[in-house]
Amino acid sequence: GAVVSQHPSRVICKSGTSVKIECRSLDFQATTMFWYRQFPKQSLMLMATSNEGSKATYEQGVEKDKFLINHASLTLSTLTVTSAHPEDSSFYICSALDRGPGEQFFGPGTRLTVL
Amino acid sequence: AQKVTQAQTEISVVEKEDVTLDCVYETRDTTYYLFWYKQPPSGELVFLIRRNSFDEQNEISGRYSWNFQKSTSSFNFTITASQVVDSAVYFCALSRFYNNNDMRFGAGTRLTVKP
Repeated sequence: GAVVSQHPSRVICKSGTSVKIECRSLDFQATTMFWYRQFPKQSLMLMATSNEGSKATYEQGVEKDKFLINHASLTLSTLTVTSAHPEDSSFYICSALDRGPGEQFFGPGTRLTVL
Repeated sequence: AQKVTQAQTEISVVEKEDVTLDCVYETRDTTYYLFWYKQPPSGELVFLIRRNSFDEQNEISGRYSWNFQKSTSSFNFTITASQVVDSAVYFCALSRFYNNNDMRFGAGTRLTVKP
């Protein structure tokens, strides 16, 4: 199946700093990517839909100014957590939509810890 | 609105037992996809199956089998002769038919298989 990578896999930062997470589709072009957040022992919650060349669509309750999404190319979407706080500590997972087969492929996730 | 319910939060079995994980869904769409994913402790989602709403045939893949019943809006997953390596969190998910947009996950069932 298609491969989606995320970088970094783990990041620890201080409160108040910003963190950027990259999501790449390695062997297909993805006009649409999705960002999910998973708190410990909870389910995945869709945060936003990222469309190449246009603004992301955020789910209700997700602050667009805090979670900046940029989908500048057909293989890369980035999520920047601005002014991170301990409550932003979570597992962030991206997925990329391969329109050929019409399937979403998930990245391995990024574990963010904010001290 | 789309919703997925996995009523079993945690299940514990002894190796070689059969176990069924329940999934009940709600959707107003007539066409949709259902999924099962496995999430081991590493966190990376492992795709297990995708089933579209037109295909109610049950599926078997090795020790795994799935029972899709539109009449009861259920898509249950059975592991036969469970093994310790099956220990993980299992998620059922639902998405709109076209391009898997708007994927909604259930809360997950944590399966522990004891030796």
